[in-house]
Amino acid sequence: EVQLVESGGGLVQPGGSLRLSCTASGLTFSDSNLNWVRQAPGKGLEWISYISPSSDPIFYADSVKGRFTISRDNAKNSVFLQMNSLRVEDTAVFYCATVRQGAFDFWGPGTLVTVSS
Amino acid sequence: DIQMTQSPSTLSASVGDRVTITCRASQSLGTWLAWYQQKPGKAPKLLIYRASTLQTGVPSRFSGSGSGTEFTLTISSLQPDDFATYYCQHYNSYPTWTFGQGTKVEI
Repeated sequence: EVQLVESGGGLVQPGGSLRLSCTASGLTFSDSNLNWVRQAPGKGLEWISYISPSSDPIFYADSVKGRFTISRDNAKNSVFLQMNSLRVEDTAVFYCATVRQGAFDFWGPGTLVTVSS
Repeated sequence: DIQMTQSPSTLSASVGDRVTITCRASQSLGTWLAWYQQKPGKAPKLLIYRASTLQTGVPSRFSGSGSGTEFTLTISSLQPDDFATYYCQHYNSYPTWTFGQGTKVEI
């Protein structure tokens, strides 16, 4: 059974930083294409970043480009999201998800990031 | 950027109803479209990918159709477990992924 579990969310002040982690099991992690998707409270879904199995290429949504950095450690079956210069509008549940045939087939339960003073 | 428009935003239905949700795109997507179901407090669940392929384990009452700029998700006979919010999602080759704004199916 494929499982993805996010961690690292919490309360942070505007302008602050946070690092999210997602650890996977039940899949060949080193072959997996991984993404972060977020959902603001009461809002829809927004894709924010992609990383290939080899960490090249990497892509970001315009809304986070230059502030967020995605990375992975295949030896630890983990993907990370370093979030800097956080804004109030970054408040959301952050999900990691695998992608296959253009669709997100497995998701973690999510971790809540709250940006507030 | 490609814009995705789902309709309706909210749909009131009863158990046993046939339900159809539409997703329209501002440009042709080919068949690069997926559908998800999300329940409150839970992660989305993939139902359909490549416009019409049913994800493993998803009940056969769910079906997807369409290509180009217009797509539909159909639930042939609505069950109590199906009351949820549904999202369409497009993938393009840049790559980026774009979601529709969601359709809430309620009683």
